[in-house]
Amino acid sequence: EDQVTQSPEALRLQEGESSSLNCSYTVSGLRGLFWYRQDPGKGPEFLFTLYSAGEEKEKERLKATLTKKESFLHITAPKPEDSATYLCAVPQGGGNKLTFGTGTQLKVEL
Amino acid sequence: EAGVTQFPSHSVIEKGQTVTLRCDPISGHDNLYWYRRVMGKEIKFLLHFVKESKQDESGMPNNRFLAERTGGTYSTLKVQPAELEDSGVYFCASSLLAGGSSLTQYFGPGTRLLVL
Repeated sequence: EDQVTQSPEALRLQEGESSSLNCSYTVSGLRGLFWYRQDPGKGPEFLFTLYSAGEEKEKERLKATLTKKESFLHITAPKPEDSATYLCAVPQGGGNKLTFGTGTQLKVEL
Repeated sequence: EAGVTQFPSHSVIEKGQTVTLRCDPISGHDNLYWYRRVMGKEIKFLLHFVKESKQDESGMPNNRFLAERTGGTYSTLKVQPAELEDSGVYFCASSLLAGGSSLTQYFGPGTRLLVL
């Protein structure tokens, strides 16, 4: 069965302290890996789609990378407004349904 | 452009009652999905519509859950009768039917359901 594992479960950073979040996956025939940001009381907000190993995508202070077994979400010089739960997900089997990880809860402090 | 909308945002009901959740997808999105997150667990798939047809309902927990999408526009998810374990956040998502970005799903804000 397809699995998605995220680490760490929680991460506390000082403003400006760069770090990376990890998403490991086991799926046959990866058709895409998705990163979402979720704020408390809201739905997941789409960030990136990565389709193949070696691909990278950037948005402001975030950069997502993909290998054959895992994806990283790099956060450079984070700000308090980057505090959120970051989720990764992969399409399961041959269909569109997403399998989610449990997320990394990021808190960036002044 | 309006995103995915869900109604109500919160619902508190007693065990045994009926609740109906509604989802309006992004205009032009023929794929519509329902997911659920229960306390402390990951978001899990419930159901996938393509237009008005159920493409995949493998995640529906039991026959107390009924999803419909009449006319291929908005969808409803009815829970009848509700049980305590149905409490959680119900998310709806939508995506395009085809094309390179058809896998990218956009989520609504969710309906927080509490069954007492």
